[in-house]
Amino acid sequence: KAGVTQTPRYLIKTRGQQVTLSCSPISGHRSVSWYQQTPGQGLQFLFEYFSETQRNKGNFPGRFSGRQFSNSRSEMNVSTLELGDSALYLCASRATSGRGEQFFGPGTRLTVL
Amino acid sequence: EDQVTQSPEALRLQEGESSSLNCSYTVSGLRGLFWYRQDPGKGPEFLFTLYSAGEEKEKERLKATLTKKESFLHITAPKPEDSATYLCAVQISGGYNKLIFGAGTRLAVHP
Repeated sequence: KAGVTQTPRYLIKTRGQQVTLSCSPISGHRSVSWYQQTPGQGLQFLFEYFSETQRNKGNFPGRFSGRQFSNSRSEMNVSTLELGDSALYLCASRATSGRGEQFFGPGTRLTVL
Repeated sequence: EDQVTQSPEALRLQEGESSSLNCSYTVSGLRGLFWYRQDPGKGPEFLFTLYSAGEEKEKERLKATLTKKESFLHITAPKPEDSATYLCAVQISGGYNKLIFGAGTRLAVHP
């Protein structure tokens, strides 16, 4: 089975721009979660989508948004980029909302200049 | 407030020198505790999930255990390729699939 894939792997943007990141979960997985990883804050939860509905949201400003499509693929968008948004953005997929493994993708490295 | 604390922050071992990593948690209701391994520049790699106190899981040189307040990741006779950051995370009741991560333990195993 193919793992979680994320595109693009690397991205460089300037302050004020917006960016869209994509995540394709493992086939058959309906839950996709997004995380931000920085050296100072570690891994922080952004939001989770399950069957195209956002079920949970972390403490991030409204500039961070996401969506999930009927094929479970997910996108996250960051508008009006700030320098502090530079991070590794990770998505994780899980089959259901109960027990079971949760697998991460390789991440998208975003650099904001 | 739900919190996960890992110790030590960093650990240096000689090849073959066994040790343990600690993950203590304070949560309202634990649904599961996860261990991941992360290599630099890569996404976390799933290792184990534990669900109830007393549960143990093993994989090669790694063994994870869970009590009501903490989890341990025991590394037996480590090799240099075990060098990585080990992350602990908890899933809480009512949080759906949200994971709350600790800061991680950076492990370096030297030949």
